[in-house]
Amino acid sequence: NAGVTQTPKFQVLKTGQSMTLQCAQDMNHEYMSWYRQDPGMGLRLIHYSVGAGITDQGEVPNGYNVSRSTTEDFPLRLLSAAPSQTSVYFCASSYSNTEGEAFFGQGTRLTVV
Amino acid sequence: DQQVKQNSPSLSVQEGRISILNCDYTNSMFDYFLWYKKYPAEGPTFLISISSIKDKNEDGRFTVFLNKSAKHLSLHIVPSQPGDSAVYFCAASGIYTDKLIFGTGTRLQVFP
Repeated sequence: NAGVTQTPKFQVLKTGQSMTLQCAQDMNHEYMSWYRQDPGMGLRLIHYSVGAGITDQGEVPNGYNVSRSTTEDFPLRLLSAAPSQTSVYFCASSYSNTEGEAFFGQGTRLTVV
Repeated sequence: DQQVKQNSPSLSVQEGRISILNCDYTNSMFDYFLWYKKYPAEGPTFLISISSIKDKNEDGRFTVFLNKSAKHLSLHIVPSQPGDSAVYFCAASGIYTDKLIFGTGTRLQVFP
């Protein structure tokens, strides 16, 4: 059972480039989320989805887009990368936000130069 | 506006002693709280949770206490082991919010 799979694990982008971070889960979870982890800032919620076709903004959504066309996949798009988006990104999935645990991927370390 | 706060960025504890990690929240709509543990270069993993209808939940060496009036929760690890050395995040959500909000984390070091 793969759980939550994120690709790529590492990425270097130039300022202004765009890219998509992929996230897939095989647990049939309705809830999926994207977080970024920065020193001293903890895990901050970027965007989340409560089911296919439904997405909403988290705490720090600017500069990012998401879509949820299937239950399994929740890609995160950086429209025009900026050095401030240098971070470690985590995707998570859960069957509920009020019970049980969220399962996290291994993370994507992104550097924008 | 940080809705979930962990005011101690780091904690150092001797092996065998108790580790106490604290977390405060501001949003009274939160009614479900979780603790996650994170090792370097890995994703966070779930440790223990508590619903607002309880004030204590225990799982082996880990106990979470919830004080709703103070909007405060704590994680107790007894006895602490070197393998517990990691970053611990508390998180909160609620039936009226779809979001799972995390704190800033506390780095725990357990030394022999």
